[in-house]
Amino acid sequence: QQQVKQSPQSLIVQKGGISIINCAYENTAFDYFPWYQQFPGKGPALLIAIRPDVSEKKEGRFTISFNKSAKQFSLHIMDSQPGDSATYFCAASKKDNFNKFYFGSGTKLNVKP
Amino acid sequence: KAGVTQTPRYLIKTRGQQVTLSCSPISGHRSVSWYQQTPGQGLQFLFEYFSETQRNKGNFPGRFSGRQFSNSRSEMNVSTLELGDSALYLCASSLVGGPRGYTFGSGTRLTVV
Repeated sequence: QQQVKQSPQSLIVQKGGISIINCAYENTAFDYFPWYQQFPGKGPALLIAIRPDVSEKKEGRFTISFNKSAKQFSLHIMDSQPGDSATYFCAASKKDNFNKFYFGSGTKLNVKP
Repeated sequence: KAGVTQTPRYLIKTRGQQVTLSCSPISGHRSVSWYQQTPGQGLQFLFEYFSETQRNKGNFPGRFSGRQFSNSRSEMNVSTLELGDSALYLCASSLVGGPRGYTFGSGTRLTVV
């Protein structure tokens, strides 16, 4: 069963707009929530990550919002650029098993110039 | 600093054959994890090796196996290949202490015909 649910499956945003991708989980043992970016022909690359004791984390144009009570977290990409066009994955891992990641199904982002 | 190196990049095999994929982690990284990526199932955890020992295992049949050598390099083997084993196989390495720095290679694209 999918332990981390991700939406939407695909997203089209105009250049300069905000891209928002959402993820939800059920297992409260999850302790670490990273977001990965993957370009065609490449492996996923870590973008930004958060732990559940923090409600928001920002790195440049990328922000994670985390709602522990709702068991949801989201990625916001501000001022989206064509170069951001890629597939984005949310993931989660447990404190006692931190190198085993459960990935969302991915969101294909297309930023129109 | 060299990244995670996976060889070969592409592979075509026939049903029933076996295949071995190789992963060289980032220097100093002692944990190596393997994932299978398919359009239908997304990224799924296969197993993790640390100090030559399998530390974690996903829900894959026994046809999928791996090992790690004393220099942290890892190999993954799939026996009796099935058409459904066609996928991108990704390797990720990380430091001992946690998921930070979890870095993926570009993967090996396996096609089973």
